[in-house]
Amino acid sequence: DAGVIQSPRHEVTEMGQEVTLRCKPISGHDYLFWYRQTMMRGLELLIYFNNNVPIDDSGMPEDRFSAKMPNASFSTLKIQPSEPRDSAVYFCASSLGPYNSPLHFGNGTRLTVT
Amino acid sequence: SQQGEEDPQALSIQEGENATMNCSYKTSINNLQWYRQNSGRGLVHLILIRSNEREKHSGRLRVTLDTSKKSSSLLITASRAADTASYFCATGRGSAGKSTFGDGTTLTVKP
Repeated sequence: DAGVIQSPRHEVTEMGQEVTLRCKPISGHDYLFWYRQTMMRGLELLIYFNNNVPIDDSGMPEDRFSAKMPNASFSTLKIQPSEPRDSAVYFCASSLGPYNSPLHFGNGTRLTVT
Repeated sequence: SQQGEEDPQALSIQEGENATMNCSYKTSINNLQWYRQNSGRGLVHLILIRSNEREKHSGRLRVTLDTSKKSSSLLITASRAADTASYFCATGRGSAGKSTFGDGTTLTVKP
């Protein structure tokens, strides 16, 4: 299995621009998670999906952030408009189930907003 | 605030020595997981220990869980330079199964 695939690996954009991050989970995994990692706040759960349905988006910082999962093999996290404080590494992870299932992480997208 | 807190924040040892990292948490959990993160990469799952388990082994890794003290420890025996990484504990709780991560321990193993 190729693992969780994220793209792009790096994204540099100017404040105010729209940013779209992409994720392909491991085939057969029913749960998909978006995390954000910064030095100041560590790893934060933004949103997660079960069978393509958003279950908990309480970690999404504000309305500028949105996430979709149109099918079992693809998810996007969009920031519009982007701000410098959104600079972070964004990780996508997938797992088989809700109970006692480890998370499988992608290699992340490093976002820099200037 | 984060559910899990790792201790120490940083640890530096010589190759061949053992490394012990600790994790404390605040509320009841379903399981506790340990992950490793190499610089510039995603987190890699190491071990998951369920709340009704006390100890678990995987190769050179040994994890203990004390639910009465709300703490866990990760022991890496006979460390290698390749073990240099950040190590995170994550607690799984509730029916959602979502995991909350601590701030991590940065381990440096000197050759």
